[in-house]
Amino acid sequence: DSGVTQTPKHLITATGQRVTLRCSPRSGDLSVYWYQQSLDQGLQFLIHYYNGEERAKGNILERFSAQQFPDLHSELNLSSLELGDSALYFCASSLQQGAGEKLFFGSGTQLSVL
Amino acid sequence: GIQVEQSPPDLILQEGANSTLRCNFSDSVNNLQWFHQNPWGQLINLFYIPSGTKQNGRLSATTVATERYSLLYISSSQTTDSGVYFCAGRPNTPLVFGKGTRLSVIA
Repeated sequence: DSGVTQTPKHLITATGQRVTLRCSPRSGDLSVYWYQQSLDQGLQFLIHYYNGEERAKGNILERFSAQQFPDLHSELNLSSLELGDSALYFCASSLQQGAGEKLFFGSGTQLSVL
Repeated sequence: GIQVEQSPPDLILQEGANSTLRCNFSDSVNNLQWFHQNPWGQLINLFYIPSGTKQNGRLSATTVATERYSLLYISSSQTTDSGVYFCAGRPNTPLVFGKGTRLSVIA
C-alpha cells in the first residue's frame, strides 16, 4: 500500500457527462500529480500541485480541471466527456519537489465513457 | 521535451531466468525512477536512482548518468514479477515515462 488513496476505483459514465476523481496524498506529502494512462499514449502527465498551488501543466485538456484543497487532497474534474477520455487516471504524491523527489502512486481510477 | 526509450518492449521468461531491461534518455536527467505496474494496474516504485547502483532483493538497478541510460536487473525471476516495468526521468519537469517493458514470467 503506497499510502495514496484514490476514489472511486471504477467509474462508468456516458458521453457529455462530468465526473470528479478524488485523491488523498500520503500523510505529510505536499505534492500531488495527476497522470492519465491510455493504451495508445502511455502514462501522460496532466497537472501538478504543491501545497495548494498549481506548479505545472502537461497535456491536460481544457475540459479538465483540478485543484488541491487546504487539507491537501486533490480533485480532478473531467467534463463534456468523450469516448477517448476512457483511461486509467493516477494520482501520485511526494514529499519534496525537484531532483530528489520520489513519487508514490495511488491505485488509480478506471474511467469508462460509453 | 525529453524522450525516454525502453527496451525490449516485450519479454517472456521462464521462471528462474535472469533479465536486463534498459532505459535510454534523450537528455540529462537529475531524477530517475523505476516502477512496476502489476497485472492489477498498481504502479509500485522500485528505485529512485539518478546515478550509481542500488539493490533490493532480486532486483537491482544501475544508472550511468553521463551516458544517459539506466538498467534494471531481475534475477531468478518469479511469476509475481510479471507486469510492465516503466522508467521515468525528469530534467526540470514532472516525470516523463517511457512506454514500458512488458514482462511475462512463465512457470
